[in-house]
Amino acid sequence: DAGITQSPRHKVTETGTPVTLRCHQTENHRYMYWYRQDPGHGLRLIHYSYGVKDTDKGEVSDGYSVSRSKTEDFLLTLESATSSQTSVYFCAISPGTGGGNEQFFGPGTRLTVL
Amino acid sequence: GQQLNQSPQSMFIQEGEDVSMNCTSSSIFNTWLWYKQEPGEGPVLLIALYKAGELTSNGRLTAQFGITRKDSFLNISASIPSDVGIYFCAGRSIMDSSYKLIFGSGTRLLVRP
Repeated sequence: DAGITQSPRHKVTETGTPVTLRCHQTENHRYMYWYRQDPGHGLRLIHYSYGVKDTDKGEVSDGYSVSRSKTEDFLLTLESATSSQTSVYFCAISPGTGGGNEQFFGPGTRLTVL
Repeated sequence: GQQLNQSPQSMFIQEGEDVSMNCTSSSIFNTWLWYKQEPGEGPVLLIALYKAGELTSNGRLTAQFGITRKDSFLNISASIPSDVGIYFCAGRSIMDSSYKLIFGSGTRLLVRP
């Protein structure tokens, strides 16, 4: 299994509070991704990173920000959580250039915003 | 934006039966991937395909990269109860210079013992 961990695994928070989810990898892969998964929508890309300090938006980036200060860590922040951000969040990693397009997923974080 | 059409949405089959599912895209892809997701877990990569016409097996699973490069197929032979889960296709368009994937909406497989 790819060495990917996500923390926390479960979180309940209130509307308007900031939330940060962490993804940590031990594979030294260049690319990291944050997805959310909701019934009826499948996996949707929020943000991704193609290197330290290099990030870009995905299809559902509004209300989310990311940071990557080290190769191994990719943080997803909800500046002011809303109920529409209740979801399961998955981190994924990929070797990228020369290593193929395969993405490997973490175990997920279940976030509930009340 | 880009979309993948994955079908069927769900299947309820008898143990021992073979299963087929497919994905089609509106553009040409250079990569097709198939994942399985079980409840409470992240998707797990089953098979990766990189060439048109490529046929790859992983145990009882076989996937093919369509020759038009706009579709892919996954077959599961002699299904067993542990095959239960959601199967996702994913692909990368040749138009995409980044390393982003597009995901299908999934096929939910239930196996009757």
